Amino acid sequence: ELKVEQNPLFLSMQEEKNYTIYCNYSTTSDRLYWYRQDPGKSLESLFVLLSNGAVKQEGRLMASLDTKARLSTLHITAAVHDLSATYFCAVDLTSGTYKYIFGTGTRLKVLA
Amino acid sequence: NAGVTQTPKFRILKIGQSMTLQCAQDMNHNYMYWYRQDPGMGLKLIYYSVGAGITDKGEVPNGYNVSRSTTEYFPLRLELAAPSQTSVYFCASSYLQGAIVFHNEQFFGPGTRLTVL
Repeated sequence: ELKVEQNPLFLSMQEEKNYTIYCNYSTTSDRLYWYRQDPGKSLESLFVLLSNGAVKQEGRLMASLDTKARLSTLHITAAVHDLSATYFCAVDLTSGTYKYIFGTGTRLKVLA
Repeated sequence: NAGVTQTPKFRILKIGQSMTLQCAQDMNHNYMYWYRQDPGMGLKLIYYSVGAGITDKGEVPNGYNVSRSTTEYFPLRLELAAPSQTSVYFCASSYLQGAIVFHNEQFFGPGTRLTVL
């Protein structure tokens, strides 16, 4: 069974602290995506990682992909309250169907 | 561009009723998707379409039907609504071209919150 697992599921952190969210997947794929969802809102694309070793950074967030380990990380540097949201990773099945499998989500709360 | 739009935003159905969730995109995307998101959970793919006239099942298609007669529209039909279909439904679209896919970033609509009582 195809699985995309994130950990932690919940993360409460202080402002200015660093932390990493992990996304493990069980299928072969070289494309992985990170999305952000604010409460009651839709999903917004954060990063598109298209190859092994890909690293993308935007502000205080940095995402990386290791396709051999089937692992992606989303690193948060010096967290601020505005980063509070739920973060999803999604794996693109490369079997020709171009369907996503979403991770379970990590609910991040940054405390002032 | 309006992007991906969905109607209605909210709906309450009684058990056994039917309805159609509307989805439209104005980005000329060839791929479109329907997901459901249960409270506190991730997204599950219901159906997707790779172009007008072509649809396929996702992970959780039972109780739903789709059609895609044009590039722009991808309605989701619920027949005989059940409480288990209470969820938030998201429509998304993306653009893929050629034999080698470089990018499949999906753009999401605002969602339809459906309650079945």
